[in-house]
Amino acid sequence: AQSVTQLDSHVSVSEGTPVLLRCNYSSSYSPSLFWYVQHPNKGLQLLLKYTSAATLVKGINGFEAEFKKSETSFHLTKPSAHMSDAAEYFCVVSEDAGKSTFGDGTTLTVKP
Amino acid sequence: KAGVTQTPRYLIKTRGQQVTLSCSPISGHRSVSWYQQTPGQGLQFLFEYFSETQRNKGNFPGRFSGRQFSNSRSEMNVSTLELGDSALYLCASSLSQGGSTDTQYFGPGTRLTVL
Repeated sequence: AQSVTQLDSHVSVSEGTPVLLRCNYSSSYSPSLFWYVQHPNKGLQLLLKYTSAATLVKGINGFEAEFKKSETSFHLTKPSAHMSDAAEYFCVVSEDAGKSTFGDGTTLTVKP
Repeated sequence: KAGVTQTPRYLIKTRGQQVTLSCSPISGHRSVSWYQQTPGQGLQFLFEYFSETQRNKGNFPGRFSGRQFSNSRSEMNVSTLELGDSALYLCASSLSQGGSTDTQYFGPGTRLTVL
């Protein structure tokens, strides 16, 4: 069985400072891992995905994530937050095509 | 390429009624999955269809059902609506080339309110 734990339900940063959103996963197999972002009243947009090719994954809008198998973690980072980054972020694990397990989400607030 | 489309975007129903939601996947995508998003339960997997067959199923009661047509479009049906069915229903499509690496692309969702 697969599961995902997002360690922070809310993260608040100032504009221009680094962002760290933490995610731990559990999986019986070698899963694929994703980060999605959801802006208010919008659908889910893919930020990046890990599929075992490289442990450091670069995504859109300056986000990246590092896969650490020994720690079963897949934390999302960005060097400098922008006001437009304020949204809800979901860490996702997928063992089986078409069936994904979502974390509870982290709400990112960016202060001016 | 057009993205995943869902219709209608908003629905208001009363308890006991039934509802049908529609999803059109990205052209060429063969897998369609459905998710329910609520503030209390978060995003939960309902089911997935591939080549007109249900391939995966989540832990939802039988009141929730779906189907997929030969053009990969999918519908989801909820019968005997309950207040707790109020949610954002998201559809996602993927190429389904096999394995867990498929990326799912999400539609904007259908907001269902049950009164």
